[in-house]
Amino acid sequence: QVQLVESGGGVMQPGESLELSCAASGFGFSTYGMHWVRQAPGKGLEWVACVSYDGTKQHYADSVQGRFTASRDNFKKMLYLHMGSLRVEDTAFYFCAKDGPPYSGTYPDHWGHGTLVTVSS
Amino acid sequence: ETVMTQSPTTLSVSPGERATLSCRASQTISAKLAWYQQIPGQAPRLLMYGASTRATGIPARFSGSGSGTEFTLTISSLQPEDFAVYYCQQYDSWPITFGQGTRLDIK
Repeated sequence: QVQLVESGGGVMQPGESLELSCAASGFGFSTYGMHWVRQAPGKGLEWVACVSYDGTKQHYADSVQGRFTASRDNFKKMLYLHMGSLRVEDTAFYFCAKDGPPYSGTYPDHWGHGTLVTVSS
Repeated sequence: ETVMTQSPTTLSVSPGERATLSCRASQTISAKLAWYQQIPGQAPRLLMYGASTRATGIPARFSGSGSGTEFTLTISSLQPEDFAVYYCQQYDSWPITFGQGTRLDIK
């Protein structure tokens, strides 16, 4: 079955950088787009980024454009989110999620359990 | 950016009754809408995509409808496990956007 396991969260100071990882298994990783979605504690879902199945295309939310970079390694079946110039408002649980249809970027159909990033001075 | 607005913010319904949740898009999104259920402390679960297609394993009491800018998620007979937060999400255009959520409470 599909498994997505995020790691790399922690407590950071504003302006610092952090990289999250997501290990995927149980499906043909190289044929699916992958998403990052975040959720501030007690708040709603906010889509962050999507990487195409082959890693050649990325899309970002306006709130992270220019600061965050999503990438993937299809050989290792890993998804990454490099988070730069962190802000207090980036504090959230970060979920890795698999796209529904192959070769597209649409709706996540399987989600990891999330990793918590806290940005505080 | 397409803004998704859900209503109501909170809905209180008794077990066994019907619940109707609404989602409105700020511009037309065809039927490129998904619904998710999130139980506190858990990851979201995909319920519906294409506005009206149930995801794998989702019970038939969940149904979705709508196209363009107005969408509805209906739960025909609420079970105890259905009390959760529900989100709609559009995937017609980038950036993907979610609604702010509707919390479904036990009355």
